[in-house]
Amino acid sequence: EAGVVQSPRYKIIEKKQPVAFWCNPISGHNTLYWYLQNLGQGPELLIRYENEEAVDDSQLPKDRFSAERLKGVDSTLKIQPAELGDSAVYLCASSLVSTGAPYNEQFFGPGTRLTVL
Amino acid sequence: AQSVTQPDIHITVSEGASLELRCNYSYGATPYLFWYVQSPGQGLQLLLKYFSGDTLVQGIKGFEAEFKRSQSSFNLRKPSVHWSDAAEYFCAVGAGTYKYIFGTGTRLKVLA
Repeated sequence: EAGVVQSPRYKIIEKKQPVAFWCNPISGHNTLYWYLQNLGQGPELLIRYENEEAVDDSQLPKDRFSAERLKGVDSTLKIQPAELGDSAVYLCASSLVSTGAPYNEQFFGPGTRLTVL
Repeated sequence: AQSVTQPDIHITVSEGASLELRCNYSYGATPYLFWYVQSPGQGLQLLLKYFSGDTLVQGIKGFEAEFKRSQSSFNLRKPSVHWSDAAEYFCAVGAGTYKYIFGTGTRLKVLA
């Protein structure tokens, strides 16, 4: 079974440029997460999707960040314009959430390492 | 507020030696606790999880962790470390149904 796929793996851009990251979750997983991981830190949730709906985007900086999950499968996270402080690893995770289960394991992709110059 | 503390930023052990990585959490209700490992350039892989029941949890790759409610701890252990265990280890607490709060990680270096 294929895991969570992310692309690109690495991206270097100049500040003020736009950038987009793509995530393909594990087949059949209904919930998708985008995390931000700064150097030396643990991942922090940016947004969570249940199918097509963004059910928790409270930590997403909406002035420059946007995300979409069309058809409830693949997802794209965009930054426009990028700032120096956006340099980090962006992780995508997915899980199969079932009713009544207290938790569902999240499976993580390898991440996209963004460097903003 | 919910939080996770991993007091050791770096740990170095010799191959074959035992390992213990510390994790302390702050959470008002019964916690759901996790340990993840992240190798360079890789995503996070779940080592083990605690939901309820036996406080000693066995995971993959020979790791185990013990939940101690009185100490708010969930320390990760391995009796004999292999060079391939060198990686970064993250402890996380489930805060709400879907939200994980991660610690800042402990980077493990293994000496040959």
